Amino acid sequence: DSGVTQTPKHLITATGQRVTLRCSPRSGDLSVYWYQQSLDQGLQFLIQYYNGEERAKGNILERFSAQQFPDLHSELNLSSLELGDSALYFCASSPLDGNYGYTFGSGTRLTVV
Amino acid sequence: AQSVTQLGSHVSVSEGALVLLRCNYSSSVPPYLFWYVQYPNQGLQLLLKYTTGATLVKGINGFEAEFKKSETSFHLTKPSAHMSDAAEYFCAVSQMDSSYKLIFGSGTRLLVRP
Repeated sequence: DSGVTQTPKHLITATGQRVTLRCSPRSGDLSVYWYQQSLDQGLQFLIQYYNGEERAKGNILERFSAQQFPDLHSELNLSSLELGDSALYFCASSPLDGNYGYTFGSGTRLTVV
Repeated sequence: AQSVTQLGSHVSVSEGALVLLRCNYSSSVPPYLFWYVQYPNQGLQLLLKYTTGATLVKGINGFEAEFKKSETSFHLTKPSAHMSDAAEYFCAVSQMDSSYKLIFGSGTRLLVRP
């Protein structure tokens, strides 16, 4: 157990639907990062939050959004889902910034049918 | 911007043989470099990291990596492969901006033959 908790582990949903992925960071970590892992794109950085505020945005689609709550857990919202959104979504956390590495959760596998 | 390139999407070795996974980086400033391992159906686990100081870095499970600035490389090695080392390995560099997010390479799948 890495200390980073992601729920659900698996999610199957239909095209056009909306889902929410949840991440609880390791105790004491202030930064949360979201990554998408797919066979063709590899590990792509989506977005980072630090202590409740958005710090960096990567290749995140406009249909996707995220937030970090006062208790530091984070949610990634994916809407108007398309088949191509099927992927593994990872959350990672770090104490301040990523300079000393992240701790990853076990991921949420999203399948859009 | 920083980036990493992993040479070889698949590497196959015999059990007991040397493991060498290659990573080259591009960075305009002194980089922070990482190796992560991903076992099937699991998240990524930090193997080792280089920030400053000693260029030979030892990690978990007998792995080590050497930072070579002149070659812009950070190759991962293990003297003797074990069946349990079969996994995907990712090299990463820290983006030196306000986010310090990690930029990952495309990964190398290590196969260990009995």
